[in-house]
Amino acid sequence: ETGVTQSPTHLIKTRGQQVTLRCSSQSGHNTVSWYQQALGQGPQFIFQYYREEENGRGNFPPRFSGLQFPNYSSELNVNALELDDSALYLCASRLDRGNSYEQYFGPGTRLTVT
Amino acid sequence: QKEVEQNSGPLSVPEGAIASLNCTYSDRGSQSFFWYRQYSGKSPELIMSIYSNGDKEDGRFTAQLNKASQYVSLLIRDSQPSDSATYLCAGGDHGSSNTGKLIFGQGTTLQVKP
Repeated sequence: ETGVTQSPTHLIKTRGQQVTLRCSSQSGHNTVSWYQQALGQGPQFIFQYYREEENGRGNFPPRFSGLQFPNYSSELNVNALELDDSALYLCASRLDRGNSYEQYFGPGTRLTVT
Repeated sequence: QKEVEQNSGPLSVPEGAIASLNCTYSDRGSQSFFWYRQYSGKSPELIMSIYSNGDKEDGRFTAQLNKASQYVSLLIRDSQPSDSATYLCAGGDHGSSNTGKLIFGQGTTLQVKP
C-alpha cells in the first residue's frame, strides 16, 4: 500500500475527446510525477509538479497538461485524444529522504481511446 | 537521448535459484537507480533503490551498482514462483526536489518455474 490513489481505474474515450485523470498522494509528498506506460514498455515521464508548479516535462505535446493542488492531489488532462494515447497512466508520489528519494506509484488509470 | 537498457527476456529460472537481472544506462549524470517489480495488469512496485557503487541487500534482493561501467543489476536469491513478474530498472537525477525524473528501461520478464 503506497498511499497513492488514482481515479478512475479504467476509462474509454473516443478520439478527439478530452480526459481528466486524478491522483491523490500522501501528505508531505510535495512532488508528483505522471508517467505513460504503453503495453510492453517501461513508463515514460510526462511531467512533474513540485509545490503546485510544473518543474520538469518529458517529450509530450502541450495537449498533455496538469495541475497540482495544495491538498496533495493532482490532475492530468489530455486534450484531442489520439489512438496512441491508449495506455496505463501512472501517478508517482515522491518521498524525499535527505539526499535520497523514492517514488511510489499509484494503481494507475487504464485509458482506452477508440 | 538518455537511455536505460534491459533485456526484455523472458528470463526463466527454476524455483530456489538465483535470478540475475541486468540494466545499463547511458547518462553518466544519473545518480540514483531503482528497481521496480510489476505484476501483469498492476502498477510498478518499488523494490530497491541504490545510490552508491557496490552492493545493497534487502532480504532476498541485492542491488549492485557500477558507475564506471554504467551498470546496475538485481539479484533475487531463492527465487519463488511469486517473483514471476516484469522488473523495471530506472535511473534518476539525485537529490533536489526540482528533479527526480525517472528514465525506465522496457523491463525484463522473469519466470520462476516450480
